[in-house]
Amino acid sequence: EVQLVESGGGLVQPGGSLRLSCAASGFTFSDYWMHWVRQAPGKGLVWVSRINSDGSSTSYADSVKGRFTISRDNAKNTLYLQVNSLRAEDTAVYYCARGKYDFPDWGQGTLVTVSS
Amino acid sequence: EIVLTQSPGTLSLSPGERATLSCRASQSVSGSYLAWYQQKPGQAPRLLIYGASSRATGIPDRFSGSGSGTDFTLTISRLEPEDFALYYCQQYGSSPPLTFGGGTKVEIK
Repeated sequence: EVQLVESGGGLVQPGGSLRLSCAASGFTFSDYWMHWVRQAPGKGLVWVSRINSDGSSTSYADSVKGRFTISRDNAKNTLYLQVNSLRAEDTAVYYCARGKYDFPDWGQGTLVTVSS
Repeated sequence: EIVLTQSPGTLSLSPGERATLSCRASQSVSGSYLAWYQQKPGQAPRLLIYGASSRATGIPDRFSGSGSGTDFTLTISRLEPEDFALYYCQQYGSSPPLTFGGGTKVEIK
């Protein structure tokens, strides 16, 4: 069974940083592209970033480019999102998702709240 | 960036009725790389349809997708109580970035 478990969210002040993690199991992690998608409270889904299977290629939404960094450790079956220079509008549940162009598997999400 | 516009914003229907949800793209979505998701409160999204018309694993056949180019449709042939939820379309033909539509809420009338 595919499992994706996010962690690392929490309350952070504007300008602060967090590192989100997504622990994967039940599949060969190194074979799959991975993504982060976020959802602000009461709002829709927004794609954030993606990384290819070996970590050599990454892409970002314009709204997070230069502030967020996606990475992965295939030996640890873990996906990361380093989020820096956080703003109030970054407040959201952050989901990791497995897939190249569509997402059959999602984690349960981790909540990031940016507030003073 | 391809913008996806979903309509209607809310669909009020009774169990057993047919639901037709629309997703219109600002530019042609290449290869019909269009997916549909269902999301219930407090839950992660669930993939229903990929490639515009292929049902994901375990999805009942009352869900069907159609369309190409800029106009896509998700149809639920007979609404079951568990189908009342939010639905999102997503395109991945023009990547990056991937984009999602704003969602359609299917509520009980």
